[in-house]
Amino acid sequence: QVRLVQSGVEVKRSGTSVKVSCKTSGYAFNSYGMTWLRQAPGQGLEWMGWISAYKDSTTYSHKLEGRVTMTRDTSTNTAYMELRSLRSDDTAVYFCARGDYGFFDFWGQGTLVAVSS
Amino acid sequence: DIQMTQSPSSLSASVGDRVTISCRASQNIGNYLNWYQQKPGEAPNLLIYAVSNLQSGVPSRFSGSGSGTDFILTINTLQPEDFATYYCQQSDTMPFTFGQGTKVDIK
Repeated sequence: QVRLVQSGVEVKRSGTSVKVSCKTSGYAFNSYGMTWLRQAPGQGLEWMGWISAYKDSTTYSHKLEGRVTMTRDTSTNTAYMELRSLRSDDTAVYFCARGDYGFFDFWGQGTLVAVSS
Repeated sequence: DIQMTQSPSSLSASVGDRVTISCRASQNIGNYLNWYQQKPGEAPNLLIYAVSNLQSGVPSRFSGSGSGTDFILTINTLQPEDFATYYCQQSDTMPFTFGQGTKVDIK
């Protein structure tokens, strides 16, 4: 079955970076892109960006442009999201989700990133 | 960015009720509208894609309709496991955006 398993809780200081992983199994990783989303405490869902399976091309939210990088490792079927220059308002649960047509059919369990000053 | 507005923000309903949730886009998104259910502490779960297509494994009491800018999610015969927050999401134009959510709780 399709599984997306994310790395664990991260507690970070403002100004530092975090890299969240999303290890996949049960489907052809090379055939699907990966989307990253986040959800601040008690808030709704925010799309962060997408990395395509085609040449690993990326599209990022302009809100995060310059601070976020999404990558894929086809040797381990793992996707990564790195966010730099962390601020307190980056505190959120971060999700990876499979989807190439704009909707997301399988999700990771979420990774809490807490940023303190 | 395309703004998505859901109404109501919350509603109280009883088991067996029929529930409708509205979602409005700030511009025409054709049929690029999806719905998710999220329970506390869990990742969202895709219910419906492209307005009215039921995701595999989702009960048939869920249905979607609409086009252009106005969309509706209907839950027929509400079940105990349906108490959750529901989000609409447009997939017409990046950045893909979500509604603010509609929380369905027990009356």
